[in-house]
Amino acid sequence: EPEVTQTPSHQVTQMGQEVILRCVPISNHLYFYWYRQILGQKVEFLVSFYNNEISEKSEIFDDQFSVERPDGSNFTLKIRSTKLEDSAMYFCAGGATGGLHNEQFFGPGTRLTVL
Amino acid sequence: LAKTTQPISMDSYEGQEVNITCSHNNIATNDYITWYQQFPSQGPRFIIQGYKTKVTNEVASLFIPADRKSSTLSLPRVSLSDTAVYYCLVAQPYGNKLVFGAGTILRVKS
Repeated sequence: EPEVTQTPSHQVTQMGQEVILRCVPISNHLYFYWYRQILGQKVEFLVSFYNNEISEKSEIFDDQFSVERPDGSNFTLKIRSTKLEDSAMYFCAGGATGGLHNEQFFGPGTRLTVL
Repeated sequence: LAKTTQPISMDSYEGQEVNITCSHNNIATNDYITWYQQFPSQGPRFIIQGYKTKVTNEVASLFIPADRKSSTLSLPRVSLSDTAVYYCLVAQPYGNKLVFGAGTILRVKS
């Protein structure tokens, strides 16, 4: 069964550093998402991406965040200047169709620790 | 988006049927009810989705009464590996994002 993969599984960085979190979605998916989950808290939507552009973003997704699908297979989340409060699990997700009648497939997550 | 309310936690024993009820009083006409499961340190996983009445798949059943203001996820004969957080979500058909609440922590004991 195809699955979403994410790398690295754990990233430790210093405050103010840039990080890039990588995801390889399932190959026939067209809609891509990033979510995050701070330890002990809810899963929160960050951004959705379709046809090489952002279709929706949350208030969390400020100018420090960006997404890219550079080569048709990878889907990346960049945080330009990390803050302590960016420490969380970051989940990539994808779906074959848009709208919410269809399931989103989540990756295993990247644990980001900002020191 | 309709707000959902579900129990914070539930305990069960192996082999029992578990029913987790979610209320969504303000559900809109076109909204669907979706349930996800999340194991520790993993991403959420889709379990089941429905609009009304009853939906069943190989994992669970979803019961939705006629007024659609609540729904019940039923897990038949749970095992230890069903210990997870279960999220009830109300999903708009043309939206993009999933809105997760706190979920229900299900602990299955032997």
